[in-house]
Amino acid sequence: DAGVIQSPRHEVTEMGQEVTLRCKPISGHDYLFWYRQTMMRGLELLIYFNNNVPIDDSGMPEDRFSAKMPNASFSTLKIQPSEPRDSAVYFCASSLAGGVDTQYFGPGTRLTVL
Amino acid sequence: EDQVTQSPEALRLQEGESSSLNCSYTVSGLRGLFWYRQDPGKGPEFLFTLYSAGEEKEKERLKATLTKKESFLHITAPKPEDSATYLCAVRSNSNSGYALNFGKGTSLLVTP
Repeated sequence: DAGVIQSPRHEVTEMGQEVTLRCKPISGHDYLFWYRQTMMRGLELLIYFNNNVPIDDSGMPEDRFSAKMPNASFSTLKIQPSEPRDSAVYFCASSLAGGVDTQYFGPGTRLTVL
Repeated sequence: EDQVTQSPEALRLQEGESSSLNCSYTVSGLRGLFWYRQDPGKGPEFLFTLYSAGEEKEKERLKATLTKKESFLHITAPKPEDSATYLCAVRSNSNSGYALNFGKGTSLLVTP
């Protein structure tokens, strides 16, 4: 299996622009998680889905952030409008329903907002 | 609110010099404590899950232990390839479903 795939790997944008991050989970996995990692705050859970349905979005920082999972093999995290404080590495992870203790992480998207 | 504190923030060891990393936690009903390894520029990689005090798990040179207040990741005779950031995370009754609360990690450097 190719593992969790994220794109783009790096994104540089200007403040106010819309940013869309993409994730393809491991085939057959039921859970998908979006995390953000910064030096100051470490790794934080933003939102997670079960069978394409958002279960907990309490970690989404504000209304500028939105996430969707239109099907079992694709999810997006959108920031509109972006701000410099959104600069971070964003990770997507997936897991099986029977083994949710093992989350498999993607390589991450490094976002820089100027 | 759950709190997860890892120490030290950074650790430098010589090859073969054994040591331990600490993860102390304050949670409302622990449902699992997790250790991950993260290499630079990569996503975290799962190592262990511990569920109850007294539990231990091993993998090669790594051994994870759990008490009611903390977990240790013991590294025996480390090699340079063990250099990475080690992350601890907890799942508790105050989290919804399968949410994990991560510590900030310990950056380990093993020199030849």
